[in-house]
Amino acid sequence: EVQLVESGGGLVQPGGSLRLSCAASGFTFSSYWMYWVRQAPGKGLVWVSRINSDGSSTIYADSVKGRFTISRDNAKDTLFLQMNSLRPEDTAMYYCARRGYDSWGQGTLVTVSS
Amino acid sequence: DIVMTQAPLSLSVTPGQPASISCKSSQSLLYSDGKTYLYWYLQKPGQSPQLLIYEVSNRFSGVPDRFSGSGSGTDFTLKISRVEAEDVGVYYCMQGIQLPLTFGGGTKVEIK
Repeated sequence: EVQLVESGGGLVQPGGSLRLSCAASGFTFSSYWMYWVRQAPGKGLVWVSRINSDGSSTIYADSVKGRFTISRDNAKDTLFLQMNSLRPEDTAMYYCARRGYDSWGQGTLVTVSS
Repeated sequence: DIVMTQAPLSLSVTPGQPASISCKSSQSLLYSDGKTYLYWYLQKPGQSPQLLIYEVSNRFSGVPDRFSGSGSGTDFTLKISRVEAEDVGVYYCMQGIQLPLTFGGGTKVEIK
């Protein structure tokens, strides 16, 4: 069974940093492009970032470019999202998903507030 | 960016009755490989989105056959033949033909 489990969310002050993780199991993680998608409270879904299967290519939404970094450890079947210079508008549930978009994690909540 | 427009914003449906949701994209979702990258998700309250339909009309594993998808190019429809209580939540369409992935604004389905 495919499983994606996010962790690392929490309450952080504006300007602070967080590192999200997404642990994958049940499939060959190293063969899949991976994505982060976020959802602000009561709002819709917004794509954040994508990384290719070996980590050599990454792309970001304009709203997070230069502040967020997506990476992966294929030896540990884990996807990461390093979030720096956090803003209140980054407050959201963050989901990881695999290419094919068939499996999403349960999400991890990031709250940016003073 | 491709804009995805869903209608209606909300639906109130009597159990056993059909429901239909429209999704329109600002550009064709037909790729050069012949596939059309349009997906439908249901987000039940307090849960993450779950895939219902991929590539316009293919039901994902375990999805009941009362759900069906149709359409081509830029116009797509999700139909529920007989709504059940467990179908409540917000339905989203998503395009996967190009980055950024973009989603419709959602259609909230509730039971009368």
